[in-house]
Amino acid sequence: DGGITQSPKYLFRKEGQNVTLSCEQNLNHDAMYWYRQDPGQGLRLIYYSQIVNDFQKGDIAEGYSVSREKKESFPLTVTSAQKNPTAFYLCASRKAGAKNIQYFGAGTRLSVL
Amino acid sequence: SQQGEEDPQALSIQEGENATMNCSYKTSINNLQWYRQNSGRGLVHLILIRSNEREKHSGRLRVTLDTSKKSSSLLITASRAADTASYFCATQVNTGGFKTIFGAGTRLFVKA
Repeated sequence: DGGITQSPKYLFRKEGQNVTLSCEQNLNHDAMYWYRQDPGQGLRLIYYSQIVNDFQKGDIAEGYSVSREKKESFPLTVTSAQKNPTAFYLCASRKAGAKNIQYFGAGTRLSVL
Repeated sequence: SQQGEEDPQALSIQEGENATMNCSYKTSINNLQWYRQNSGRGLVHLILIRSNEREKHSGRLRVTLDTSKKSSSLLITASRAADTASYFCATQVNTGGFKTIFGAGTRLFVKA
């Protein structure tokens, strides 16, 4: 998982609560990504950021928000508007010009209480 | 809809056998990548093949790409129990280079 740290490993959300998942990288990568993975499924893109202070919606952005105030950090907030948040969330980063090879964190498993 | 779709969804083999996984995609690509995911962990990049390449090797891995059929295969030779994992193909589509689309994966189980 080298160089990308996701925390916490497990997270529980109560109904109506916003929760924030942390993603920090020390690889000096420009681009960062958030994916959602449901059991037995592939990865779906939530948000991505190519540079600091800029980010774009992915395929399933509704109910999520992000910020990119620092190059190293790309936190994801799962808002109360996301009605089915239970999933495995993966953060990844990519070096500019690196043929789009992505490096992943170990993931955060989010469950609803 | 998913750009990449792997086949089979699951594969169970004996240690020492070869494992072949296939991936099909829909639109033109810059490159195709294969990743591995151990249970409950993040993905790890295995190998990348460019759209102008037909075959690539890395250790016990062999990847082929047929752009006319929009398909790729990953062959793991002489499999080991430690190869047990899910394997995903991922395509970088021709939209500026930032977006990678992952398939649903093949779950490989290698029996010791």
